[in-house]
Amino acid sequence: AQKVTQAQTEISVVEKEDVTLDCVYETRDTTYYLFWYKQPPSGELVFLIRRNSFDEQNEISGRYSWNFQKSTSSFNFTITASQVVDSAVYFCALSDYKLSFGAGTTVTVRA
Amino acid sequence: DTEVTQTPKHLVMGMTNKKSLKCEQHMGHRAMYWYKQKAKKPPELMFVYSYEKLSINESVPSRFSPECPNSSLLNLHLHALQPEDSALYLCASSQVYGSGRATDTQYFGPGTRLTVL
Repeated sequence: AQKVTQAQTEISVVEKEDVTLDCVYETRDTTYYLFWYKQPPSGELVFLIRRNSFDEQNEISGRYSWNFQKSTSSFNFTITASQVVDSAVYFCALSDYKLSFGAGTTVTVRA
Repeated sequence: DTEVTQTPKHLVMGMTNKKSLKCEQHMGHRAMYWYKQKAKKPPELMFVYSYEKLSINESVPSRFSPECPNSSLLNLHLHALQPEDSALYLCASSQVYGSGRATDTQYFGPGTRLTVL
C-alpha cells in the first residue's frame, strides 16, 4: 500500500531562518510521482512541485528547494530565509489510484 | 492560467435542505475531483470524473451526489446532510486521469466551507 509519512506535525521558526520539512514514502511501484502542496489559512491547496521517480535531481525554485533521495524514499522540502507569508500547512503526496497525502506539517513563521 | 473556481465560498444548511456546490475550470482539463477536508487533516478523495464520466466513488454516502454536466463544470448536490459532514469541500482538476493513476498535477480551487446545522 502507498503511504506518506510527514513526521513533523508543527514547526515554528523566526523569520529568515531556514526550515526543512521531511517526507518519507512507501510504494511498490517502480514509476511514481511525488508532490508538494501548500495550504495557507485561506484554505486553497497551492501546487508547489511534481517529481517523477526517475528524476533524482534536486530542484531549486527561488527560496524553495527539494531533495529527492530514492535510496531512502524521501522527498524533503526546504524553505530558505523563511518569511511570514510561508506560514501554512504543507502536504507531501504520492501518486496511486488517488493522491496519497501525508498528514501535513504546519509551519509558523514569526516576525 | 491555472485557476479553478468554486461557489459558494461559505454555505450553511440545515439537515433537511438541498443545496449544490459548483466548480469550474477553463484549462481544458479532462479530469475533475471532489475532496472533503476536515480541520487539521489532509484532503480525502470523494469522487473522480474522467472525460465527464464517474471513474471513482470512494464509498461516499448517497446524500452526496456528483454531476459533471460538461468538461468544464463539476457539481456536488447535497441532500439530508449530517452535522459531521461539515467540512471544507475542495474541487480539483488535472489534464487527464490516465490508466487509473493520479499522476498528473491536480490544481485545486479555494474550496467551499460547509456548515450543517
